[in-house]
Amino acid sequence: GAGVSQSPSNKVTEKGKDVELRCDPISGHTALYWYRQSLGQGLEFLIYFQGNSAPDKSGLPSDRFSAERTGGSVSTLTIQRTQQEDSAVYLCASSLVSPTTGRVSPLHFGNGTRLTVT
Amino acid sequence: QKEVEQDPGPLSVPEGAIVSLNCTYSNSAFQYFMWYRQYSRKGPELLMYTYSSGNKEDGRFTAQVDKSSKYISLFIRDSQPSDSATYLCAIQGASGYSTLTFGKGTMLLVSP
Repeated sequence: GAGVSQSPSNKVTEKGKDVELRCDPISGHTALYWYRQSLGQGLEFLIYFQGNSAPDKSGLPSDRFSAERTGGSVSTLTIQRTQQEDSAVYLCASSLVSPTTGRVSPLHFGNGTRLTVT
Repeated sequence: QKEVEQDPGPLSVPEGAIVSLNCTYSNSAFQYFMWYRQYSRKGPELLMYTYSSGNKEDGRFTAQVDKSSKYISLFIRDSQPSDSATYLCAIQGASGYSTLTFGKGTMLLVSP
């Protein structure tokens, strides 16, 4: 497809369970971001990947959150031992990076995974 | 002071009105400015992108940046019910990798 694809679109899980959220970025986009969007809270940055490495993990809220990216493409965000406060929409975005300046171009977002922890 | 401030609204206008959406920011290092539109249950989509002070026009949309005042605006002319969405401003620093900082978004409702 032409855009950023995220799966599942909705996930309901019980408190304490682990969940995996998947992001398939636009082909050729080396930069990949995860954001979290809660009602009334705006977009909260979680982690940034350049290729397979994550130079900025500063937004991950706790050690229950982790993410990986393989082959410079698909990324997985894993939340262990989910809590009710983890309920939110998790958005993935991808972008091009300038080979000369290293600057990231505007982000292209997927439609998100709506996570509900009961 | 938050890095990016944006009135959450909702802003309700009749069809055909001119809409003005605004953000203020605190860090003068920000150099790149974007507006995203987000429909319910969808991801944000890029509307406008600019890196200089002044105006940039695209159809019914005009983005305005005033770096001296640290103030950015999005104007929508001849607003349509299909413009009803949440509008997020996003700002980025100049040097190398720099993540985007988003405003919380303004909900716009355009009534027929």
